[in-house]
Amino acid sequence: DGGITQSPKYLFRKEGQNVTLSCEQNLNHDAMYWYRQDPGQGLRLIYYSQIVNDFQKGDIAEGYSVSREKKESFPLTVTSAQKNPTAFYLCASKGGGQYNEQFFGPGTRLTVL
Amino acid sequence: GDSVTQMEGPVTLSEEAFLTINCTYTATGYPSLFWYVQYPGEGLQLLLKATKADDKGSNKGFEATYRKETTSFHLEKGSVQVSDSAVYFCALSDRNSGNTPLVFGKGTRLSVIA
Repeated sequence: DGGITQSPKYLFRKEGQNVTLSCEQNLNHDAMYWYRQDPGQGLRLIYYSQIVNDFQKGDIAEGYSVSREKKESFPLTVTSAQKNPTAFYLCASKGGGQYNEQFFGPGTRLTVL
Repeated sequence: GDSVTQMEGPVTLSEEAFLTINCTYTATGYPSLFWYVQYPGEGLQLLLKATKADDKGSNKGFEATYRKETTSFHLEKGSVQVSDSAVYFCALSDRNSGNTPLVFGKGTRLSVIA
C-alpha cells in the first residue's frame, strides 16, 4: 500500500539531546512537509521541501533542521535549541495532480523529559 | 496572502443532530478546497475535496459545496454519530502555487454525545 510512515509513534528524550524523527513516503511525491501540533491547537509549518536537495523554512523553523537527500525521505531533527520540543509532529507529502491535496502520516508524539 | 477561516469550537452535538461547520476563504487564484478530519492521536485524513465552483465533495455522509460567490466551503452532515467526534480542518490549495503548502484553518473540534 502506498502511504507515509513516521517512526516511532512515541519518542522520549532527555532535555538537551537532539532527536531525529523519521518520515518516509512511497507515493513518488516531490514535495514533503513537517508540521507541529500542540494540544488542542492547529497545525504550524516547520519546514517543507518542494524537491530533492532543496528545502525552505516554515513559520516556526527555529530549533529544527531537515535534510532531503532522497525523494522518499524527509527526516526532521529537533535540536537542543528548541525551547519547547514536546509536541505532536506530523509529516505530509504532495504530488500535484488535479486537486493538489496533501497526504499525512500518522504522526510522532515527542516528549522531552 | 491566501487564508482560511473556520468557525471556532468546540461544537457539541447530540447523536443524530445536524452538523454544519462554516469555512470561508480568501484566495488570489482559483483554489482547490478540502476538508480534513483528525481523530484523537492520529494524523489528518482527507475527508472530501472540490476543485471548481458548484462542485460538491462528499464522503461518509459528509458534504461540502464550493461556493465561489460567497467564498465558502461549509461542511455538513445530516445525522452525526459518536464516531464522528474529531477535529475538522478546512484547507485550500492554490493550483498555481506548485508544491507550496496547503493553507489550513485552525480546526474545529466536534464532540458528539450519545
